[in-house]
Amino acid sequence: DAGVTQSPTHLIKTRGQQVTLRCSPKSGHDTVSWYQQALGQGPQFIFQYYEEEERQRGNFPDRFSGHQFPNYSSELNVNALLLGDSALYLCASSTFTTGLMETQYFGPGTRLLVL
Amino acid sequence: AQSVTQLGSHVSVSEGALVLLRCNYSSSVPPYLFWYVQYPNQGLQLLLKYTSAATLVKGINGFEAEFKKSETSFHLTKPSAHMSDAAEYFCAVIIFGNEKLTFGTGTRLTIIP
Repeated sequence: DAGVTQSPTHLIKTRGQQVTLRCSPKSGHDTVSWYQQALGQGPQFIFQYYEEEERQRGNFPDRFSGHQFPNYSSELNVNALLLGDSALYLCASSTFTTGLMETQYFGPGTRLLVL
Repeated sequence: AQSVTQLGSHVSVSEGALVLLRCNYSSSVPPYLFWYVQYPNQGLQLLLKYTSAATLVKGINGFEAEFKKSETSFHLTKPSAHMSDAAEYFCAVIIFGNEKLTFGTGTRLTIIP
């Protein structure tokens, strides 16, 4: 049973560029959440996708956008990169069940360095 | 809004000694609580979770945690530390109606041979 996978594993960009990160959820999961983990910090919630729509969003600017595809995989896009966007980006998948909170399982992350 | 506070950004214990990592939560409604472990250059692995059933929760690798509502705590323990336990540990909370995980700042556990 494949777990959550993310690509690429590492990425280097320059300020002002745009980046796209990809995530495939664990088999049987239909919900994808994205988190940003700055060095030495805990992960911060960016947004969550279910049924190809953004369900919830954290305190991140509109430069951060996402998409979910019919096969439940997801992309995170960041425009106009800033030095402060350098971080480990984590994808987590879960199942959406009304009235319950399902456990989120994390991928290995994509480490983004902005120069 | 919900939050967690992890006391002690760094904890060192001798191999074979008790591991105690502290987590206190704040929530206006009954929470679900989690402990995740992160090894260097890796993602997060679920250690254990509390979902309002038994207050003493057993997880993987010999870890357990006890939910204490009166103390708003969910401390992580392991009776005997192993060198392989060296990692970063994160406590997290989630509440119904706002299903985003809110993490603490983490505790780095070092095991002394």
